[in-house]
Amino acid sequence: GAVVSQHPSWVICKSGTSVKIECRSLDFQATTMFWYRQFPKQSLMLMATSNEGSKATYEQGVEKDKFLINHASLTLSTLTVTSAHPEDSSFYICSPARRETQYFGPGTRLLVL
Amino acid sequence: QKEVEQDPGPLSVPEGAIVSLNCTYSNSAFQYFMWYRQYSRKGPELLMYTYSSGNKEDGRFTAQVDKSSKYISLFIRDSQPSDSATYLCALTQGGSEKLVFGKGTKLTVNP
Repeated sequence: GAVVSQHPSWVICKSGTSVKIECRSLDFQATTMFWYRQFPKQSLMLMATSNEGSKATYEQGVEKDKFLINHASLTLSTLTVTSAHPEDSSFYICSPARRETQYFGPGTRLLVL
Repeated sequence: QKEVEQDPGPLSVPEGAIVSLNCTYSNSAFQYFMWYRQYSRKGPELLMYTYSSGNKEDGRFTAQVDKSSKYISLFIRDSQPSDSATYLCALTQGGSEKLVFGKGTKLTVNP
């Protein structure tokens, strides 16, 4: 399987601060990057899809100005949660795609106090 | 009707049992079928990937796809406690279409 890293693996922050999560596909080039959010005991919820060099496409109900996605290269994408609030506390997982197969990062657990 | 239906369980079996996990779907345009395993507090890990109908075997795992019935299965033989996890089916039409996930089935294999 592909190797995907996410950093940080967990973060605790105060309400109102911004948090940046990095996702790297270490052994393949991902033309498409998906970002998911997962709340406890629930399945993955797609937040947005981005293609390298293009603006991300957000799912309904996901604020594009709050969740900034940058997919500057085929191996790196970032998700910035701006002005985070406690309700943004969740498990964020990136998923780089190669052809029809998606691989997942290990996830970043965000806790907003 | 949801695009993908998966029984969330939980499912509890003794070690060594054969486990059957299933998903049904409604969109006949799905062409690619995947099973992911997710341990608690970890990202999903791709287990099996199949295209169109048929069977695919990898060690103790067998994935089956029946497109005529819109039904996919994952079988785990000689289940082990280390197989305890949530198993998610995922389907896509292909190309750059997004994956559609089932809710996941939580499996516990008891020693």
